[in-house]
Amino acid sequence: GNSVTQMEGPVTLSEEAFLTINCTYTATGYPSLFWYVQYPGEGLQLLLKATKADDKGSNKGFEATYRKETTSFHLEKGSVQVSDSAVYFCALIQGAQKLVFGQGTRLTINP
Amino acid sequence: KAGVTQTPRYLIKTRGQQVTLSCSPISGHRSVSWYQQTPGQGLQFLFEYFSETQRNKGNFPGRFSGRQFSNSRSEMNVSTLELGDSALYLCASSLEDRPYQETQYFGPGTRLLVL
Repeated sequence: GNSVTQMEGPVTLSEEAFLTINCTYTATGYPSLFWYVQYPGEGLQLLLKATKADDKGSNKGFEATYRKETTSFHLEKGSVQVSDSAVYFCALIQGAQKLVFGQGTRLTINP
Repeated sequence: KAGVTQTPRYLIKTRGQQVTLSCSPISGHRSVSWYQQTPGQGLQFLFEYFSETQRNKGNFPGRFSGRQFSNSRSEMNVSTLELGDSALYLCASSLEDRPYQETQYFGPGTRLLVL
């Protein structure tokens, strides 16, 4: 079946560092891909999405490009802030409204 | 526009009891999905409802059930609670005008603790 694999965390960076969180997927067809973020004690918030190959999703300085040839959707940010500390989930949509999530990557940014 | 709301936010039950969780989707959204989040299993899909019909179901036992009302509000029920049912239960809604591409918007979740 479809699956999503994220780089294992936790990831700890200093403020203003460059961030990459790797995400690869296995899927039949061409699923839409998402990054969600979860802050402590909260639900999931959509960070960005891409619906077809070579699409780039971007939001709040974060970017991810849908790479069909490498089945990847890596999340990047050029300069992280303390407020970016959260858990990040990569996901694909499989079938009608069923999201398949990666295991999540906990990110901590130190001042 | 108000976001997805879930009630209650926190719940403590004992083994063997049953529980009902409620979700109100974003106004105009017709699809509601439910997910279970645990430290061990991560985020897992429970089921999805559209126009009061269950369209998709995850791999959970029959103790987990749900329904959707004509106003798109949804409830999920867990009967005969087990310790392993302790989790954060997340509800998400979407417009459902472009299947397989729809963005799901999540509520804050209901944290259930089974003692």
